[in-house]
Amino acid sequence: TQLLEQSPQFLSIQEGENLTVYCNSSSVFSSLQWYRQEPGEGPVLLVTVVTGGEVKKLKRLTFQFGDARKDSSLHITAAQPGDTGLYLCAGVLRGSYIPTFGRGTSLIVHP
Amino acid sequence: GAVVSQHPSRVICKSGTSVKIECRSLDFQATTMFWYRQFPKQSLMLMATSNEGSKATYEQGVEKDKFLINHASLTLSTLTVTSAHPEDSSFYICSARGGGGYTDTQYFGPGTRLTVL
Repeated sequence: TQLLEQSPQFLSIQEGENLTVYCNSSSVFSSLQWYRQEPGEGPVLLVTVVTGGEVKKLKRLTFQFGDARKDSSLHITAAQPGDTGLYLCAGVLRGSYIPTFGRGTSLIVHP
Repeated sequence: GAVVSQHPSRVICKSGTSVKIECRSLDFQATTMFWYRQFPKQSLMLMATSNEGSKATYEQGVEKDKFLINHASLTLSTLTVTSAHPEDSSFYICSARGGGGYTDTQYFGPGTRLTVL
C-alpha cells in the first residue's frame, strides 16, 4: 500500500483544458512538495506547502494543502503543451526527514 | 532555488566495471543527500540516505556492497555502482536536503543515465 496515493496516474488532454492532480494519505505530513520532471532530467521543485489549508499559486498552477495536512492537490488552468511532464508529490511525515513520493502523474498536453 | 549538480550526466560501461556518480550541492551545505533510482515513466525509488560523515542508510532490498555511498563533505556525495551489470542500467538521481527556506525541501540533481552493456 502506497503511503501517498497520487491520482490520476496518466492524463492526456487538449491545450486549454483544466486539470487537477491529487495526493492523498491517511498520515499527517509536516510538509509536502510538488515537483515536475521532464524526460531525462531531475525533478524540479514547484512548491512546498507546510500549513494546513494553505493555497499557493504559481502562474496557472494552484496548489492546496488539506486542512488536516493529509492531502494536497495541484490544479492547472488552461493547460499548455509546455506543461507536459511527470508531476510528483512528496510528503515528509511528522518526526521524519525522509520524503515519501507518490507514484507520479504523467501529463501530456496536446496542441 | 538551490542548485544541485550531478556528474556524469550519461555513462555507458561494460559489464563488470565500476561506475562513480558525483552529486554536489553548489550553493548550500547539505547534511543529508538522497540517492534514487528511477525506471521509465515511474516514480523515484529511494535507494539510500546519505549523511555527511557517517555511513549511509540503505533501503530494504538495496545491496550496500553493490551501491557504495560516500558523503565526504557537506557539498559532495558519491554513489559507486560496483561490478555493474545490465540490470543496473537505470536513471540515477541524487537530491540534497536543505538550502534555505524549508529544511524538508529537497533539491534534485539532473540525473545520471547509466547503461551497462
